[in-house]
Amino acid sequence: DADVTQTPRNRITKTGKRIMLECSQTKGHDRMYWYRQDPGLGLQLIYYSFDVKDINKGEISDGYSVSRQAQAKFSLSLESAIPNQTALYFCATSDYYTGELFFGEGSRLTVL
Amino acid sequence: AQRVTQPEKLLSVFKGAPVELKCNYSYSGSPELFWYVQYSRQRLQLLLRHISRESIKGFTADLNKGETSFHLKKPFAQEEDSAMYYCALRGNQGGKLIFGQGTELSVKP
Repeated sequence: DADVTQTPRNRITKTGKRIMLECSQTKGHDRMYWYRQDPGLGLQLIYYSFDVKDINKGEISDGYSVSRQAQAKFSLSLESAIPNQTALYFCATSDYYTGELFFGEGSRLTVL
Repeated sequence: AQRVTQPEKLLSVFKGAPVELKCNYSYSGSPELFWYVQYSRQRLQLLLRHISRESIKGFTADLNKGETSFHLKKPFAQEEDSAMYYCALRGNQGGKLIFGQGTELSVKP
């Protein structure tokens, strides 16, 4: 089945460390997204990419960067992690015409 | 600017009772509205979208442009409806999807 895969699924790190979360998809979609989920705040858009050469900031991009290595790969980096970046991170892809998002299983990041 | 507001963090009802999860939006153009659901230990998934005007798992949602609302309704809640529900908006230029804060629905036996 075409899918959206995130790695790692869980990560504990220390303040100041560099962290990369990776996302790959086999759905053939051009559009990819990174969201952050926090209790009470819902899903907030960090970055999105509508094709390999297109990168856009979302609602909360400060402290994050992304790389779109190929149509199928979209990585999220925290250059210097801080405790308030502790959250559940979701990658998603979408089809342009329907707008439906297909989510990965999430990457739980804890910054101590 | 796009904005989605779900005023209730938690909604608790008994099995068989009607359910209404509220969603209000702010957008100057003609938006596309969606409801996504996250069941325990499952991925976020699309529940329904206003364009298709369909009923999924007994849920319906009507876009009210006058009140800028897209409330999710079900006449008789079931225990398996317990989940996190997110309302989302996409602008009329087919852009990014913005989510609300989410409402946790708890259906008690």
